[in-house]
Amino acid sequence: NAGVMQNPRHLVRRRGQEARLRCSPMKGHSHVYWYRQLPEEGLKFMVYLQKENIIDESGMPKERFSAEFPKEGPSILRIQQVVRGDSAAYFCASSPGTDREAFFGQGTRLTVV
Amino acid sequence: KNEVEQSPQNLTAQEGEFITINCSYSVGISALHWLQQHPGGGIVSLFMLSSGKKKHGRLIATINIQEKHSSLHITASHPRDSAVYICAVRLLPGGGADGLTFGKGTHLIIQP
Repeated sequence: NAGVMQNPRHLVRRRGQEARLRCSPMKGHSHVYWYRQLPEEGLKFMVYLQKENIIDESGMPKERFSAEFPKEGPSILRIQQVVRGDSAAYFCASSPGTDREAFFGQGTRLTVV
Repeated sequence: KNEVEQSPQNLTAQEGEFITINCSYSVGISALHWLQQHPGGGIVSLFMLSSGKKKHGRLIATINIQEKHSSLHITASHPRDSAVYICAVRLLPGGGADGLTFGKGTHLIIQP
């Protein structure tokens, strides 16, 4: 049973481009969480999804950021028109249900140049 | 004031020492997590606690719900334990975001 898979591990984008980050949860996990870790800062919650539904996006910036978790395939975190301040490590975690232990991926380190 | 406070922020110790990292929180929670992150690396879940005490190898985690406090202990510390240790809580339903709320982490260095 592979762990939570995130790709790419490293992503470089120029200002104004789009970034697409992928997260494949552990087998049997239907709950996905995205977190952001800015340089020298702690982790912050962004969005919580279940299959085909956004449950809580209270931590997501209102503009340029979107997330989805389709019926088939990985969860996608999409950042449009990236800016330097979007440079961060983005972590995905999955769990089999609410209040169950969540397992984290290795993260995607986004650098905006 | 952060909802989750960790202490100390930084800790340097000698190999073999007994390590304690503390976490206090100010909100109602359904569970508390201890996580480990190596520099530039991923995040590993060490424990999820809602009461009492858990042990895994040289790691022990305790939680006191009444005092809103948890501790992570490392016995017989080793240089490979050097990492950032992060305390995170899941708020009670209706208490806030559905994801975890994190402390700022404790940077632990174990010198040989």
